[in-house]
Order: sequence, then C-alpha cells, then structure tokens
Amino acid sequence: GENVEQHPSTLSVQEGDSAVIKCTYSDSASNYFPWYKQELGKRPQLIIDIRSNVGEKKDQRIAVTLNKTAKHFSLHITETQPEDSAVYFCAASISGGGADGLTFGKGTHLIIQP
Amino acid sequence: ETGVTQTPRHLVMGMTNKKSLKCEQHLGHNAMYWYKQSAKKPLELMFVYNFKEQTENNSVPSRFSPECPNSSHLFLHLHTLQPEDSALYLCASRPEGGRNEQFFGPGTRLTVL
Repeated sequence: GENVEQHPSTLSVQEGDSAVIKCTYSDSASNYFPWYKQELGKRPQLIIDIRSNVGEKKDQRIAVTLNKTAKHFSLHITETQPEDSAVYFCAASISGGGADGLTFGKGTHLIIQP
Repeated sequence: ETGVTQTPRHLVMGMTNKKSLKCEQHLGHNAMYWYKQSAKKPLELMFVYNFKEQTENNSVPSRFSPECPNSSHLFLHLHTLQPEDSALYLCASRPEGGRNEQFFGPGTRLTVL
C-alpha cells in the first residue's frame, strides 16, 4: 500500500518569512495530493490540492509543487502570518476509483513566531 | 462548518460496552470515509463507502463494524474495544463528478477505559 513520509515534524519561522513542508510517497499510481490544515481542536480542512497531471498550483500565499519522477511534493507558504500556525498534513490517494481513501503523512506543526 | 456532522462529540466507554458513532451529511455526496486520529500517529484510513457499498477496509479489527444504510449516513459500531482504541474518529465525505476533496466532520473523541 501507499506510504507517505512528511518532514519536518515541527517548523518554527518568523512572521513574514516563508515555510516549506515536504512529503514523499511510495505508490506511483497515486494521482491526487491534498494538503490539510488542522487547528487545535478542529477538523482538518483542505487548503490546496494538486493532481498528477500538474506540476505546480498556487492560491494566494500558498503553493504546492509536485515531482512525479521523484515522488515528492511540497507545500510553500509565503509571508507567513500568526493565523498560519497549525498542524499541516499532506496526503496521497488514487482518485477515480472506489478505493480512494487518503494516506496521510504524520503532520507538521507550524509555529509562526511574532 | 463543512456540512458533515458527527455525534456524539465525546464518548467514554468501558471495554465491555457496545456503542455507535454516527456521521451525517446532506451535501449530496456519495462517498463516505472513517478515519482514526491518534496522538503521535498520522490520520489512518479505516473504511471507504461508495454508494453505500464498502470499497475499502484498511485491515481494521473486527471490533469496529461500519454500516452505511444510505448515502447520507455512516455509522461505526464499537464493541469490546481496547484502551489503545482511544482516539479521535473522523468521518469525511466526497462529492462525485471528478472532485476529489474530502470534507471532514468535527470528529468524535473516544476514550476507552
């Protein structure tokens, strides 16, 4: 089955700086890669996702890049703000079929220092 | 709010009890999921249902028994659980039509004594 590795487990950056979180996956059949943000005591919420036919996607301060050959994808947050502090999870799945449950990484606790 | 609700939000049960978790969505989604979130472990997929049919069982012990009577409701029946089953149980649903985003419910915080 799929295995997703996520690094780092904790990331502390100064407000205004950029943050990068990296994930690798093992199953070359995976074709859908979402990123979820989970604030303390709340549900995971999708912030951005990318499909395997695209190399990069951007939404305001958030971007995701995908390298299919190397089987890794990254989340980039620019101009970080205090409200970006949360746990971020990457995930992978094979979409288009019935068995499309997400395999998650272990999460990155992002801390924005004022 | 994502339109996915879960009850109860908190549950404490003994190892010999039988209880059920409920998930409900009125978003018109046809795929529903159960995930387990434990401390210091990644979110783990448990079950997937598409159009009320179970399409994925991620090697979950039989003390967890899912039920999907219709596309809007998903249950997780619990019996003879172990303390290590204490976790946050999250339900999610996904729309059809090529969209992949899964919408999560708020979860049920389960404690097994």
